[in-house]
Amino acid sequence: GAVVSQHPSRVICKSGTSVKIECRSLDFQATTMFWYRQFPKQSLMLMATSNEGSKATYEQGVEKDKFLINHASLTLSTLTVTSAHPEDSSFYICSARPLSSYEQYFGPGTRLTVT
Amino acid sequence: GQQLNQSPQSMFIQEGEDVSMNCTSSSIFNTWLWYKQEPGEGPVLLIALYKAGELTSNGRLTAQFGITRKDSFLNISASIPSDVGIYFCAGHPKNNAGNMLTFGGGTRLMVKP
Repeated sequence: GAVVSQHPSRVICKSGTSVKIECRSLDFQATTMFWYRQFPKQSLMLMATSNEGSKATYEQGVEKDKFLINHASLTLSTLTVTSAHPEDSSFYICSARPLSSYEQYFGPGTRLTVT
Repeated sequence: GQQLNQSPQSMFIQEGEDVSMNCTSSSIFNTWLWYKQEPGEGPVLLIALYKAGELTSNGRLTAQFGITRKDSFLNISASIPSDVGIYFCAGHPKNNAGNMLTFGGGTRLMVKP
């Protein structure tokens, strides 16, 4: 149980285009999902907290207009990187928190490369 | 924001040896979670701790929630090559209203066969 999927696993896009990443909880419902960014050899950096049916809460320094988050259902959150630039290249990981639980389960991550 | 100090940053050990890593904070935590991350993958939850003093095992892994609620350790006994990866501690600070996890910097474990 507690499986989280992410799609795509890796994507290469051209500078200026937008990329959408999906995060799904496969066998549980999650009112809260989290989006992280991870640079090589570093820990996870929280970008935003995604709440089902309401606006996402962004961490300081994260542009909400650049990283659009939609949490349309209890099992799906999406992160759209708009007008991507090479500096947006990174490993993006989502996590989901089951209802009535403090545990977070992570997706396998999405490697984004912007050329 | 909250800080979690995780040590050691890296370890290079011989197969069969025991491993110990820990996390400390200046603040009180309500939960401690230990994750393992392999290259190119997301972190996988190993052990979750909810009560001060709690000692929990998962196979060769044992973790404890410190009595002061400001620290936690993870032990791996009889290490094997597949234990290689980065181990992260994480927790929910007492004063965290958003259920966000605070992460340690990670311990990179390398095991020599």
